[in-house]
Amino acid sequence: AQSVTQPDIHITVSEGASLELRCNYSYGATPYLFWYVQSPGQGLQLLLKYFSGDTLVQGIKGFEAEFKRSQSSFNLRKPSVHWSDAAEYFCAVGNTGTASKLTFGTGTRLQVTL
Amino acid sequence: GAVVSQHPSWVICKSGTSVKIECRSLDFQATTMFWYRQFPKQSLMLMATSNEGSKATYEQGVEKDKFLINHASLTLSTLTVTSAHPEDSSFYICSAAGRRLNEQFFGPGTRLTVL
Repeated sequence: AQSVTQPDIHITVSEGASLELRCNYSYGATPYLFWYVQSPGQGLQLLLKYFSGDTLVQGIKGFEAEFKRSQSSFNLRKPSVHWSDAAEYFCAVGNTGTASKLTFGTGTRLQVTL
Repeated sequence: GAVVSQHPSWVICKSGTSVKIECRSLDFQATTMFWYRQFPKQSLMLMATSNEGSKATYEQGVEKDKFLINHASLTLSTLTVTSAHPEDSSFYICSAAGRRLNEQFFGPGTRLTVL
């Protein structure tokens, strides 16, 4: 069965500092990987996804993620965090090469200090 | 991106009553819709997958008679929580995907509180 682990429940960074959110997955085949952001009162918004090809994926809002098969990781990064990035971030893996049956990690809450 | 709405955004009901939550894709045809449940400070758990015109497929441990899902059109799916009890209180989120099924678009969620 597929699973996703986000080791960090809560992270606090200063505005302008760099950010890395960790995600490890367990999946038998080539995974379809996603990062979503959830802000209060809003639905989950897709930041980026990896299906195949270049292992460094660029997303919206200045985020990027790198797929590392050898480490079963798909960590999310941003070079300079803005106060508006404070939110809950979820990593997810999709089943059978599609976005169906997404399995989510437990999420990482990002707090940004000014 | 595509827009998915949910109605209501929050609802409070008495124990034993039924509650219906609507999920609509506003600007695309959703051949597949998903229903998730999210407990406070926890992740999203997939409850069921529904394809337009077909019966929903429920995940293990989800009571199909308790959580009735209808996906009657390409833009609307409904989740009815029947005979709700306090333990059904949760945040329910729907998502929708088009034919290519390469991305799910999420609704803003519905907070259900059962007294």
